Amino acid sequence: NAGVTQTPKFRILKIGQSMTLQCTQDMNHNYMYWYRQDPGMGLKLIYYSVGAGITDKGEVPNGYNVSRSTTEDFPLRLELAAPSQTSVYFCASKTWGAGDQGDTQYFGPGTRLTVL
Amino acid sequence: AQSVTQLDSHVSVSEGTPVLLRCNYSSSYSPSLFWYVQHPNKGLQLLLKYTSAATLVKGINGFEAEFKKSETSFHLTKPSAHMSDAAEYFCVVVTGFQKLVFGTGTRLLVSP
Repeated sequence: NAGVTQTPKFRILKIGQSMTLQCTQDMNHNYMYWYRQDPGMGLKLIYYSVGAGITDKGEVPNGYNVSRSTTEDFPLRLELAAPSQTSVYFCASKTWGAGDQGDTQYFGPGTRLTVL
Repeated sequence: AQSVTQLDSHVSVSEGTPVLLRCNYSSSYSPSLFWYVQHPNKGLQLLLKYTSAATLVKGINGFEAEFKKSETSFHLTKPSAHMSDAAEYFCVVVTGFQKLVFGTGTRLLVSP
């Protein structure tokens, strides 16, 4: 299993541009999450999904959109990029339910985004 | 709402000495708590988790944490630090729909 993969690894955007951060998992996990990590801070939840076709806002959703058309993919869309969106973005997934496997979120390697 | 507070932004230890990273939590019910580690320019790795079973939890790489309800704490310890332990450590509480709420992190520095 490749686990959770994210593309691209790095990206520089100009203010007002848009882009999509890709996230794919091959573990057949129902739950998927997008977090952002600002320098010196913990991660904050942007959006999450409990299954294909179902998404909901997290703590910091403004300026972002998501979709979940398949179990495997959970892309994050930035419209009209702003300098405040400069951050490292992490995607994560977990299986359904509680118990030892269900508690653990598996993280991708991250995408470092700079908006100038 | 559930939250966690990491009491130290930086902790410095010498190799071979004990490590203590402190975390207090706030929750209206019995929480699930995790510790994650992040090495420089890497993703996050789960160190250990507490999910209302044994209060002393053992994780990977010799780390352990003790859940103390009376003190609302979940401190991370290791008897003997290794250079490879230098990293950022996050205390995390689980909320509804298995959403994670992260503390602000503690950077562990290990000197020879």
